[in-house]
Amino acid sequence: DAKTTQPTSMDCAEGRAANLPCNHSTISGNEYVYWYRQIHSQGPQYIIHGLKNNETNEMASLIITEDRKSSTLILPHATLRDTAVYYCIVGSSNTGKLIFGQGTTLQVKP
Amino acid sequence: SAVISQKPSRDICQRGTSLTIQCQVDSQVTMMFWYRQQPGQSLTLIATANQGSEATYESGFVIDKFPISRPNLTFSTLTVSNMSPEDSSIYLCSVEDNRDEAFFGQGTRLTVV
Repeated sequence: DAKTTQPTSMDCAEGRAANLPCNHSTISGNEYVYWYRQIHSQGPQYIIHGLKNNETNEMASLIITEDRKSSTLILPHATLRDTAVYYCIVGSSNTGKLIFGQGTTLQVKP
Repeated sequence: SAVISQKPSRDICQRGTSLTIQCQVDSQVTMMFWYRQQPGQSLTLIATANQGSEATYESGFVIDKFPISRPNLTFSTLTVSNMSPEDSSIYLCSVEDNRDEAFFGQGTRLTVV
């Protein structure tokens, strides 16, 4: 599975958009980009995933560059409850195996 | 979505003993996954548990230390054997649905003293 690189930490003001970058330059053609988050003392929570097209759901938007070597998770209006560790993961569909990196700790501040 | 229940939610165990963690899912799933999260660290996949076959272990994890059972499509157990303080971690089980989304239990927080 391809490796991902994320900033260790980021801050975001409450109500503003949080843009979390992820580099995955070794991604292969059949690998998806998945985003999960882990709020303190809870199990990870699925956010969104995509292959090459941009995706949007009720939680977030996922922007994948045309060459698929990087992506950005966008939380359009961050709230204090969005404070968490965000994991960008690259992997093949339907294997179920997730290889977690260290993630980005997002701190949403009032 | 899938709802996952793990038992126990936490435990404090003596070194040298073993603990069996249970994972129950509210729907039938083909594969279940066990992860470990050491203090302050990210999650590490221990093994994949398929019903009717032996679990597949990731590098660094062995069956003698982490035996896994998968008796049916909704249940699995992970045993942490002959525990030492280094096994103090959160252990989580996970399943994936047909929309390629993974769901996690709340984890079992294990402290070995």
